[in-house]
This record gives sequence, structure tokens and C-alpha cells, in this order.
Amino acid sequence: QLQLQESGPGLVKPSETLSLMCSVSGGSISSSSYYWGWIRQPPGKGLEWIGRIYYTGTTDYNPSLKSRVTISADKSKNQLSLKLTSVTAADTAIYYCARPNSYSNYAMDVWGQGTTVTVSS
Amino acid sequence: DIQMTQSPSSLSASVGDRVTITCRASQSIANYLNWYQQKPGKAPKLLIYGASNLESGVPSRFSGSGSGTDFTLTISSLHPEDFASYFCQQSYSPPWTFGQGTKVDIK
Repeated sequence: QLQLQESGPGLVKPSETLSLMCSVSGGSISSSSYYWGWIRQPPGKGLEWIGRIYYTGTTDYNPSLKSRVTISADKSKNQLSLKLTSVTAADTAIYYCARPNSYSNYAMDVWGQGTTVTVSS
Repeated sequence: DIQMTQSPSSLSASVGDRVTITCRASQSIANYLNWYQQKPGKAPKLLIYGASNLESGVPSRFSGSGSGTDFTLTISSLHPEDFASYFCQQSYSPPWTFGQGTKVDIK
């Protein structure tokens, strides 16, 4: 059974870089035809798609974050990573990794439990 | 970006009620519309994909319909565990976007 687990620092200072990992078990991030993605949710608010990475390494990002975000994959560790530079309080959120299923119209059928990141000095 | 507009933003209902939530896209997204349920402190859970396909393990009281720009999520008879927030999401074109959510609470 595919499982995703996010990890990373819960507190980041303004202007610094937020770095998160997503460990994948029960499946391989190298599986053909699959994307992997990141989504975030500010406290008490809705969901915002951050971006996705294809098994080939191709990435797509939300234009609102594109200048600051990098999503990458470490196939040897079966992990995804998210880096967001120059963070501000507006980046405070729960960050989720998820798998968009190409066989289900790219609906995100597997989610991690989320990790809370607070941006504060 | 494709804007997703959900309505209502909240509703109060009783156990056994039929509940309908609507989602409108700012342009045609064919059937690339998905519905999620989210409970407090939990990750979203996929309910419906491709506008009308029930995700495995999801109760049949949940159904989805629509295509193009207008979509509906229906809960035929509300159960106690259905009190939650619901989000629509388009996966037609990046950046994938979500509706603002509908909170269903107990009347």
C-alpha cells in the first residue's frame, strides 16, 4: 500500500529557505506515468497547488510561486523534496505531498499526513 | 489560471438530509474535476475523480456529476461522519486549482 510521509523543520525564519522531504513507501517514484506533487494549506484556509514532478524529472510549478520553488526527486532514496526560498509569514501552512494518479484524471488519490511549517523569527 | 468557484461556502444540515455542493470552472475543463473531503487535522481524501467516478472504498451515497464548467457533488443521505469540508479541484490544466471549500456542519 502506497504511503507518503512528509518531514522537515516546523519553524523557518523569514527570508530563509524552507526545505521539506516526502518519503515514499509501498511504491516507487520511478514508476512510469506517475506524477508526484506538493500542496499547501494556510491555517484555516483552502488548498493551494504548489507543483508537480513527473517520473522523468520534468516539473511544473504554480506561477505564483515559480520564482521561489524547486521540486526534485531522489530515486535512490525514493524521496521527493520541496524547497521554497525567501519565505515570509504568508508561507506558513500545512504542506502535503500527494500522488496525482494519471489513471484517474490526475486526481490526488494518496496523500501524506502533512507537516506544519511556521515562518517566524 | 482556471478559477474554481464553489457554493455554498458553508451549510448546515441534519443526518439523513440530501446535500448538494456545486463547483463552477472559469473555462471548460471537460471532466477533469475531482472532489475531496477533509476533516479537521487530517489530509484531504479523494471521493470522486473525473467528475463522476467514485474512488474505491468511498460510500455510494456520494456521487458526482457534470462536465464542461458546471459540476455537482451530492450526498444522498448525510451520515454523522460526513460532517466535514469538501473541496473541488480541476486537474485539466496546470496550475491545478481548488475551490475555496464548503464546510458541512450539523444543524
